[in-house]
Amino acid sequence: QQPVQSPQAVILREGEDAVINCSSSKALYSVHWYRQKHGEAPVFLMILLKGGEQKGHEKISASFNEKKQQSSLYLTASQLSYSGTYFCGTRRDSGYALNFGKGTSLLVTP
Amino acid sequence: DSGVTQTPKHLITATGQRVTLRCSPRSGDLSVYWYQQSLDQGLQFLIQYYNGEERAKGNILERFSAQQFPDLHSELNLSSLELGDSALYFCASSVGYSGQPQHFGDGTRLSIL
Repeated sequence: QQPVQSPQAVILREGEDAVINCSSSKALYSVHWYRQKHGEAPVFLMILLKGGEQKGHEKISASFNEKKQQSSLYLTASQLSYSGTYFCGTRRDSGYALNFGKGTSLLVTP
Repeated sequence: DSGVTQTPKHLITATGQRVTLRCSPRSGDLSVYWYQQSLDQGLQFLIQYYNGEERAKGNILERFSAQQFPDLHSELNLSSLELGDSALYFCASSVGYSGQPQHFGDGTRLSIL
């Protein structure tokens, strides 16, 4: 089942912070985060496993709340290069494939 | 550059036709994944192969099929094409069969006229 991402879109000024949420109605084993810039391929940011938290990229970090089946991606002191669409991918178990959300569009302006 | 190569970059064809999309994974990666991306649906997982064998199946239509060859490259075959099949098709690869980061190719844009 496709996870739900919120918000659908957000506009920030450079230096501001943002939070992107990813929720599932099913218990999750892991959450993967990717960023896709316009006209480009998605690029891996980080993986969060059940029971753990991992920082993966620049000033971007994430959390994984297993009880709520929810992950949040935190972008601090945003830079222009952070603009793009952020996708979360969720896995229900170690043997399952990733199920991606519809994405959150982020625009950072000067 | 992710190291994943997809060809062709663009395909324009008519309804009812058949096309083949090709993907070469990163060196050392054994898994290949296929995704369909349309504006309203995001990234839809189609199918995964690991070391030549089908590993997982998503929302892949019966008109679509895929395979992974001994040299680990993969092909996605789309037949009896419909207007709704117009989308960006991505291939991704990873080292293992589960849980590792996936590295995406630049995609093949398929337009059905």
